[in-house]
Amino acid sequence: EAGVAQSPRYKIIEKRQSVAFWCNPISGHATLYWYQQILGQGPKLLIQFQNNGVVDDSQLPKDRFSAERLKGVDSTLKIQPAKLEDSAVYLCASSFLGPLHFGNGTRLTVT
Amino acid sequence: SQQGEEDPQALSIQEGENATMNCSYKTSINNLQWYRQNSGRGLVHLILIRSNEREKHSGRLRVTLDTSKKSSSLLITASRAADTASYFCATVLTGANSKLTFGKGITLSVRP
Repeated sequence: EAGVAQSPRYKIIEKRQSVAFWCNPISGHATLYWYQQILGQGPKLLIQFQNNGVVDDSQLPKDRFSAERLKGVDSTLKIQPAKLEDSAVYLCASSFLGPLHFGNGTRLTVT
Repeated sequence: SQQGEEDPQALSIQEGENATMNCSYKTSINNLQWYRQNSGRGLVHLILIRSNEREKHSGRLRVTLDTSKKSSSLLITASRAADTASYFCATVLTGANSKLTFGKGITLSVRP
């Protein structure tokens, strides 16, 4: 089966600019997650979708981050405006009643 | 704060040796999972152990869970250079809607 696809692979922006990441989960996976992984740390959950509904977004900085999952399939994560501390790898994962399958992530550098 | 805390933070061993990594957590869990992350890649699921299980095996991997001590260990036997990666434990809390919370990870280096 095809894995979780993410794009872009790398992104460099200046602070206060906006950026968007895209994720295509494994077909049939109802649950989709966005994690933020800062260098040297474990992934931190930003938002969890079940189909196109939000299950958990308690750690999403809602003043600057937004996410949507159109039609319960693809998802986009947006940051506007970006801050220096947003530099991290943004990982998308999906699951169906079991372990998570991760994409390779988008490495964001904010200068 | 993170639910799972791995120990040690870094481990360096010779190829062929066994690697033991530990994870402690704070609150009641539904299950505990171990993941591997190679440099620049996403995480790969290794093994899941439920709260009513004490030990599981998968190939060269052995995971134990002690709910009374709120701890788990991952043993990799006969390590290979290809096992060099970061390893994370992650927990699903009881009643937590499958939300997975990760620790900070252990960096394992296997010297050829």
